[in-house]
Amino acid sequence: DTEVTQTPKHLVMGMTNKKSLKCEQHMGHRAMYWYKQKAKKPPELMFVYSYEKLSINESVPSRFSPECPNSSLLNLHLHALQPEDSALYLCASSPRAGPNQPQHFGDGTRLSIL
Amino acid sequence: AQSVAQPEDQVNVAEGNPLTVKCTYSVSGNPYLFWYVQYPNRGLQFLLKYITGDNLVKGSYGFEAEFNKSQTSFHLKKPSALVSDSALYFCAADGNKLVFGAGTILRVKS
Repeated sequence: DTEVTQTPKHLVMGMTNKKSLKCEQHMGHRAMYWYKQKAKKPPELMFVYSYEKLSINESVPSRFSPECPNSSLLNLHLHALQPEDSALYLCASSPRAGPNQPQHFGDGTRLSIL
Repeated sequence: AQSVAQPEDQVNVAEGNPLTVKCTYSVSGNPYLFWYVQYPNRGLQFLLKYITGDNLVKGSYGFEAEFNKSQTSFHLKKPSALVSDSALYFCAADGNKLVFGAGTILRVKS
């Protein structure tokens, strides 16, 4: 069982909808991440939160809006998405942000944009 | 800028045989290197990491990786492959963010 829980597992939405992806971890990790992954491709980093503050935004379009309400939760708010945004969205956490920290991944939310 | 290369899209091996999944890297400074595995419809799972020290790193599920500074390689190995090892494997380097290789599909046939 994964220690990083993502909900929902699947999401289908229209281009005008607003939805949110949720991620939760109870390992006491203080760094959390959002990645986008296309089929059989490596994950692409979107956002990094360190101690609940946004530390990295990889030039992600504003239709993706991250939020870290507390040290255990990470949300990704979606609005006016495009068909090319269909992908697997992975959340990850690590004890701290930094180069020697293994990341723990959730199983992702598979997002389909109609 | 750091980069990671996995030169093989797919590796096929018979069950019980040794396996190697190749990775080369290009980083400035000391490399922090990782291997992750992804099973179908799952997230990535951490296998092992190299920070410093011994060039042979042991990890989960019987996997190990050999760090070679002169060849800038970090190949993943296992002495005896299992069918259940079939998955997508990612090598990654970490500077200020994790950079992944393109991935290698490992197929182990019984």
